[in-house]
Formats: sequence, structure tokens, C-alpha cells
Amino acid sequence: SQTIHQWPATLVQPVGSPLSLECTVEGTSNPNLYWYRQAAGRGLQLLFYSVGIGQISSEVPQNLSASRPQDRQFILSSKKLLLSDSGFYLCAWSRGSGELFFGEGSRLTVL
Amino acid sequence: GEDVEQSLFLSVREGDSSVINCTYTDSSSTYLYWYKQEPGAGLQLLTYIFSNMDMKQDQRLTVLLNKKDKHLSLRIADTQTGDSAIYFCAESHSGGGADGLTFGKGTHLIIQP
Repeated sequence: SQTIHQWPATLVQPVGSPLSLECTVEGTSNPNLYWYRQAAGRGLQLLFYSVGIGQISSEVPQNLSASRPQDRQFILSSKKLLLSDSGFYLCAWSRGSGELFFGEGSRLTVL
Repeated sequence: GEDVEQSLFLSVREGDSSVINCTYTDSSSTYLYWYKQEPGAGLQLLTYIFSNMDMKQDQRLTVLLNKKDKHLSLRIADTQTGDSAIYFCAESHSGGGADGLTFGKGTHLIIQP
């Protein structure tokens, strides 16, 4: 069966510090991978998606970036965090254009 | 553009039925989904319906789709305290692209004893 893991689960970082959130999928190959951010009252916002190694599509311009160094690994990064980057970040995968399977989320607080 | 709208809160008494409503704008959506999010957790797929269906039932869950009005609903029969969560409606994008789903803002289901 397929599983998805993301870490860390909770992160508290000062403004201006770097960020790295990691997500890995097991039990499938060549998945589509996604990073969403969930902010209070704003639902889920798609940040990045990837259909293959090294292929990243950005939906929202911001100071975040994503990378896919391996088939089942998706990383969300920032060089300098802003207060507005606080939120709940969710990684997800899909087989194609259908349903998404989500990780447990990473809570980021920027102080 | 694509948009999915839901009420932010719904309060029901334990044992009653809960009906969570959703409207969407993309008439080309192939599938429509309901996800459940418990506190501090990721989203869990509850059920989905293909756009050429009117209704789908799965145990205590009933999904109704009115494609003409672009209205989707999720009915939870005999609501229990464990049903307390945020419920997200989502639609697949027209053209079947890989750019994920469009989600509503989520409906907080509150269960009164």
C-alpha cells in the first residue's frame, strides 16, 4: 500500500531563517506531488506541484521554492522566512488528475 | 476561474443528520470530492462522485450532485462526536490536468451533545 510522510510535524522559526520541509511517498512510482498551505479562514492554497523529477510548477509567487530531487521526494524551502509564511503545510500525491492523498501536515510558526 | 464555496460552520445535535453543502463553478469537473480533516491532521478522502452520477451512498454518507445547479452535498446520518471535523469539498480541474484539485474553505462541523 502507498504511504506519504512529511516532516517535521511542528516547526518554530524566527523571521529571516531558512526553511526545509520534506515529503516522501512510498509504494508507488512517478506520482504527481503537491504542496498546499492551509491558513486560517482561507482554505487550501496550492503552492507547487510536480509531475516528475526536476519538474516544478509554481502556482503562487512568493519567497518559497520547491524541489524534487528524487521520484518520491518533494521538498519545500525558503531562504528567508516571513511572518506571513506561518501556516499548516500539506504534502499530497496523486496518480494523475484524480484524488489526492495527503500527509499529516507540518505546522510552521514564524516569530 | 474555478471556485468552490462552502459555509464555514454547521452545528448539529448528536444523532441528527448533518448536511454540508457546496457550490462550484467549473461545469467541466469530472469528479467531485469530500475530504475530512480532524484537528492537527492532514486531509482524508471520505468519498467522491463522478460527474455523471446524481447520488452515491456509502454507509452513513450520502452524496448528492445537482449538476445543473452545480451543487454538491454531503449528508452524514446519525451524526456522532467522532464526525466533528472540517469537511472540504473539492473539484477536479477541467481538462484533467495534473495541477491538483480546487478546494473550498472547509465547513467546520460542530456536534452538540
